[in-house]
This record gives sequence, C-alpha cells and structure tokens, in this order.
Amino acid sequence: AQSVTQPDIHITVSEGASLELRCNYSYGATPYLFWYVQSPGQGLQLLLKYFSGDTLVQGIKGFEAEFKRSQSSFNLRKPSVHWSDAAEYFCAVGEDAGGTSYGKLTFGQGTILTVHP
Amino acid sequence: DAGVTQSPTHLIKTRGQQVTLRCSPKSGHDTVSWYQQALGQGPQFIFQYYEEEERQRGNFPDRFSGHQFPNYSSELNVNALLLGDSALYLCASSLNGYYEQYFGPGTRLTVT
Repeated sequence: AQSVTQPDIHITVSEGASLELRCNYSYGATPYLFWYVQSPGQGLQLLLKYFSGDTLVQGIKGFEAEFKRSQSSFNLRKPSVHWSDAAEYFCAVGEDAGGTSYGKLTFGQGTILTVHP
Repeated sequence: DAGVTQSPTHLIKTRGQQVTLRCSPKSGHDTVSWYQQALGQGPQFIFQYYEEEERQRGNFPDRFSGHQFPNYSSELNVNALLLGDSALYLCASSLNGYYEQYFGPGTRLTVT
C-alpha cells in the first residue's frame, strides 16, 4: 500500500525567506503526486500536481515542486515566503487501482507553516 | 462557477446517533470522494461514488455508508456514532475519478 511521509510537523520561517517542505512517498509504480494547502477551518486547495513528464512542476501562488524518483521525494519550494502563506500543507499520492484511475488519495500528516514578519 | 459545497458547516451529535452529511460537486464533475480528517491528521479516504455506485472504499467500517444522486450530489451517512468519529469530513469532486480533485470546505462533526 502506498504511504506518504512529511518529516516536518512544524516549520517556522521569516517573511521573504525561502521555503522547502519535504515529502517522501512509498508506491510501487509511477506515482501521481500532489501538494494541497489548508487554511484554518477551510478545505484543501490544490497547489500543484505531478503526473508525468518534466520533474519540476510549477503551481499557484509561486510554489514549485520537484519529483525525484531516486529519492522517492516530492519536495515543495518557494523562493520568498509571504505572511499569507502561513497554513498547513499536505502532500498526497494518488493510487492507480488496477490500471484504472479511481483517484483515491493518500495524504501525509501535514506540515504547519508559521511565517514571522 | 460554483465549487464544491458541503452542508452543514458544523454539527453536534450524541454517541449512538446517526448523521447525514451532504455534498454538491463542482459543476461538470461526476465523481465524489469522501475523506475524514481527524484533528492534527491528514485526510483519510472513506469511499468514492461514480455513476451512483460506490466504486472504491477505504478502511472504514460499514457504519459509514453513502449515496450518489442522479445530479451527482452525494450524502455520507454515519450510524451508531462514536466519540472517535469527531472530525472534519471533506468532500472532493473530480471528473470520472481523474486525480485532480477539488475539495469542499468540509463539515465539522463533533460527537459528545
């Protein structure tokens, strides 16, 4: 069964600093990978996704992520963090059940981002 | 373009009761998935509905059941509520189960 690990439960950065959130996955085939962001009391918003092709993917709000198959990682990065980026971030892997894209997502436990002014 | 909507926003129930949560998918989507998010955890997949049938199910007991209507909206029913069922219940919609899922704001269920 697939799994996702986000090693950092809580990260604090200063506004304007760069950011990298780590994500490691376990999955037997080519994974479908996602990053979602959740503000307090809100649902999940999709930041970016990787299905195939270029291993560096661009998302909304200036975020990007790089798929590294050799390291089973899909880390999220942003060059300069804004105070409005404070939220909880979830990495997820999509399951391809028997060759049919049923779309079940397995999530990591999340990383809470705090931004200091 | 309306996104995914869920109702109610909050709900308080007593142990042993039954609850029904509702979800309307994003316009043009035909697949609805339900997730449970306990406090401090990532969402856990409950099940997915497509063409009014449960197509895939996660590791949840039979107390959790659902339904999808011809207009693609969906309900999640939980019977015999336990304290451990307290969580944020998220609905996500997609097109034919395609991986790009759009989430609603969730229903916060508290069981006392």
